[in-house]
Amino acid sequence: QLQLQESGPGLVKPSETLSLTCTVSGGSISSSSYFWGWIRQPPEKGLEWIGSIYHSGTTYYKPSLKSRVTISVDTSKSQFSLKLGSVTAADTAVYYCAHLTAVTIDYWGQGTLVTVSS
Amino acid sequence: QSALTQPPSASGSPGQSVTISCTGTSSDVGGYNYVSWYQQHPGKAPKLMIYEVSKRPSGVPDRLSGSKSGNTASLTVSGLQAEDEADYYCSSYAGSNNYVFGTGTKVTVL
Repeated sequence: QLQLQESGPGLVKPSETLSLTCTVSGGSISSSSYFWGWIRQPPEKGLEWIGSIYHSGTTYYKPSLKSRVTISVDTSKSQFSLKLGSVTAADTAVYYCAHLTAVTIDYWGQGTLVTVSS
Repeated sequence: QSALTQPPSASGSPGQSVTISCTGTSSDVGGYNYVSWYQQHPGKAPKLMIYEVSKRPSGVPDRLSGSKSGNTASLTVSGLQAEDEADYYCSSYAGSNNYVFGTGTKVTVL
């Protein structure tokens, strides 16, 4: 059974960079045809797609976040990461990492709350 | 890339059916047969319940069914049970390896 686990600071100051890592177990991060992605959910609000990465390193980002987002992968550690720059209070959310097939998001991490506050 | 539109709430008594709509555009819901539905209980991660409009992953009861017409997809939960009370989100592939989510619907079992 594929498992994903997010890790990283739970508190980030405004204007700084949010950094999270997702560790994958129970499957290979280098599997072809699959992608790895990030989704977030502000408190009491809906889900928002952030972006995804293929094991080769090819990335895809939500257009409105593209200028601030970087997703990278380290296949040797079975990890992929999210960096979101110039954060504001609006970036406070539960951040989920996920496994994607070509057509859906089928496995999710448990999520980690990141609060942006001074 | 605007969020897909879902009704904020839906409800039904145990044993009844409830249907949730998910309206997008020809650039997402209407353009691809890649609509998924997720169930989310409070404090938990979303769980995939339907993919490719109407397919169920292993372990998802056949009381849940999905369909699509034009730019609107629908999820029907039949034979409502207490465990079905949750938030439900639709999502659609939106091209260029991007996805868009629905606004979410809170289902209440009366």
